[in-house]
Amino acid sequence: ETGVTQSPTHLIKTRGQQVTLRCSSQSGHNTVSWYQQALGQGPQFIFQYYREEENGRGNFPPRFSGLQFPNYSSELNVNALELDDSALYLCASSLWREGPNEQFFGPGTRLTVL
Amino acid sequence: SQQGEEDPQALSIQEGENATMNCSYKTSINNLQWYRQNSGRGLVHLILIRSNEREKHSGRLRVTLDTSKKSSSLLITASRAADTASYFCATPSRDSNYQLIWGAGTKLIIKP
Repeated sequence: ETGVTQSPTHLIKTRGQQVTLRCSSQSGHNTVSWYQQALGQGPQFIFQYYREEENGRGNFPPRFSGLQFPNYSSELNVNALELDDSALYLCASSLWREGPNEQFFGPGTRLTVL
Repeated sequence: SQQGEEDPQALSIQEGENATMNCSYKTSINNLQWYRQNSGRGLVHLILIRSNEREKHSGRLRVTLDTSKKSSSLLITASRAADTASYFCATPSRDSNYQLIWGAGTKLIIKP
């Protein structure tokens, strides 16, 4: 069973640029969630994708967008980067079913915006 | 916004001692989850406790849930150096079951 993988591990960008982060879900999972985690804080929910459609969104502006592909891999795109976007970006995959379920996290992508 | 708040923010104990950390939340929930994070990397799911459960065990971990006080505790018994990590509680959003709301975490340091 393959775990959740993310790429790249680290990334440095400058203000105003655009970035794409990638996530490969755990085998058998059909749902992916993206989180932003600032240093010393808990993760903040960005959005979730289920069957290639956005299934819910946190309090993030539209310049944060995503995609989920038929193989359940996913991308997080951030346009017009701001300094405050510097954070660890985590994706988590899960199997959508009735009731609560645990999420399996990737190792994250550390984004630094200069 | 953060739903859960962990207490204490940081905890340093000797190896072999027990570690207890607490989580308080604001709205009614149907489950609460605890996760561990090592060195700012990915999170690992530890335990999920449902609102109709009061206590749950997994190896050296014991989680309690008091819905009347809107609080949960995580006890790690016989701590080991490898338990050094940040521990987070997460609860489903009031609006949806799939969106997890997280606290700021408890940073646990186990001294050898």
